[in-house]
Amino acid sequence: DTGVSQDPRHKITKRGQNVTFRCDPISEHNRLYWYRQTLGQGPEFLTYFQNEAQLEKSRLLSDRFSAERPKGSFSTLEIQRTEQGDSAMYLCASSLEGLSDTQYFGPGTRLTVL
Amino acid sequence: AQSVAQPEDQVNVAEGNPLTVKCTYSVSGNPYLFWYVQYPNRGLQFLLKYITGDNLVKGSYGFEAEFNKSQTSFHLKKPSALVSDSALYFCAVRDMDSNYQLIWGAGTKLIIKP
Repeated sequence: DTGVSQDPRHKITKRGQNVTFRCDPISEHNRLYWYRQTLGQGPEFLTYFQNEAQLEKSRLLSDRFSAERPKGSFSTLEIQRTEQGDSAMYLCASSLEGLSDTQYFGPGTRLTVL
Repeated sequence: AQSVAQPEDQVNVAEGNPLTVKCTYSVSGNPYLFWYVQYPNRGLQFLLKYITGDNLVKGSYGFEAEFNKSQTSFHLKKPSALVSDSALYFCAVRDMDSNYQLIWGAGTKLIIKP
């Protein structure tokens, strides 16, 4: 399977703990996006990488959230001191640079904060 | 500011009947429009996109969408619905002001009844 993969698929944690999610994009894709989705809502943009550079971060994203893409391949999203409001599906997407590029999504990581 | 609206929270269609899922948009400049489908507990799957050219765009699984510039709409259609088409459908527009992130509608739940 050469699609976008995410790990883990599910994560249950206690409030205050740190969690880290991984995303492996489609191999030739140089753009990588993180979104958050809550039940019944459309995805909410979190951050975006082009190669290893983080080009944009949502103003809605608190300082507890950080993302990296150190070698321009896989990416990690870390949430520090998790809160119950962080419970959501975290989606990763990748695309090949271009004005009309299409984002392809992974299966998501479902986070539950108790 | 660019935006997308999906006016129907839910659409119910009998199997074998044609279906339409509505989407309207507001952008400055030319719109780049997308449709995605999401099955329960899954990531988003790309269906089709409009960039330029023919107003009728054909996509995956027999879906098509009609771009109407005067009505600022991009409705998703299928001539004959299948029960397996039941899912959550999202319309999105490329944000040309912000590193090409997608701006999403709230989603429409499509229910196909046998």
